[in-house]
Amino acid sequence: AQSVTQPDIHITVSEGASLELRCNYSYGATPYLFWYVQSPGQGLQLLLKYFSGDTLVQGIKGFEAEFKRSQSSFNLRKPSVHWSDAAEYFCAVGGGYQKVTFGIGTKLQVIP
Amino acid sequence: DGGITQSPKYLFRKEGQNVTLSCEQNLNHDAMYWYRQDPGQGLRLIYYSQIVNDFQKGDIAEGYSVSREKKESFPLTVTSAQKNPTAFYLCASSIDGRPGSPQETQYFGPGTRLLVL
Repeated sequence: AQSVTQPDIHITVSEGASLELRCNYSYGATPYLFWYVQSPGQGLQLLLKYFSGDTLVQGIKGFEAEFKRSQSSFNLRKPSVHWSDAAEYFCAVGGGYQKVTFGIGTKLQVIP
Repeated sequence: DGGITQSPKYLFRKEGQNVTLSCEQNLNHDAMYWYRQDPGQGLRLIYYSQIVNDFQKGDIAEGYSVSREKKESFPLTVTSAQKNPTAFYLCASSIDGRPGSPQETQYFGPGTRLLVL
């Protein structure tokens, strides 16, 4: 069965600092991987997705993620965080016979 | 302007009452989904529908029911059998619902918060 682990429940970074949110997955073949962002009281917005090809994926809002098969990871990065990036971020995995599986989320706090 | 709408934004349920959450999409997507979100638990799949007049139970279907009479609409009823309904409910859609397909990328509505009186 496929699964997703987001090891960090809560992360705090200073505005302007770099950001990396971790995501590890369990899946037997090549997965489809997603990152979503959720502002408080809102729905989820798709940031980026990986299906195949270049393992470094560019998304919206200046985010990128890198698929590393050897580490079963799909970490989300941003070189310089803005206060408006404060939100909850969800990693998700698909590709098998199960429906897409979501992680429990990482809450990002941005301090001035 | 295409998208997914959910109504109402807030919904209050009394004991023993059934309530229905609305989800409409104008993206011409075949597949639609309902998720429940509780703090610290991520998203849990309640029901999904890959095509009109067909739907499947997800991981936590007990106490919920759905219908899919039209492609653009997928209402969720929270029945009195759901003893702990307080949560944030999210509707999503995808081009199609075939597991393992890139077309399964899901797009979400703004959500409905259900509270019990």
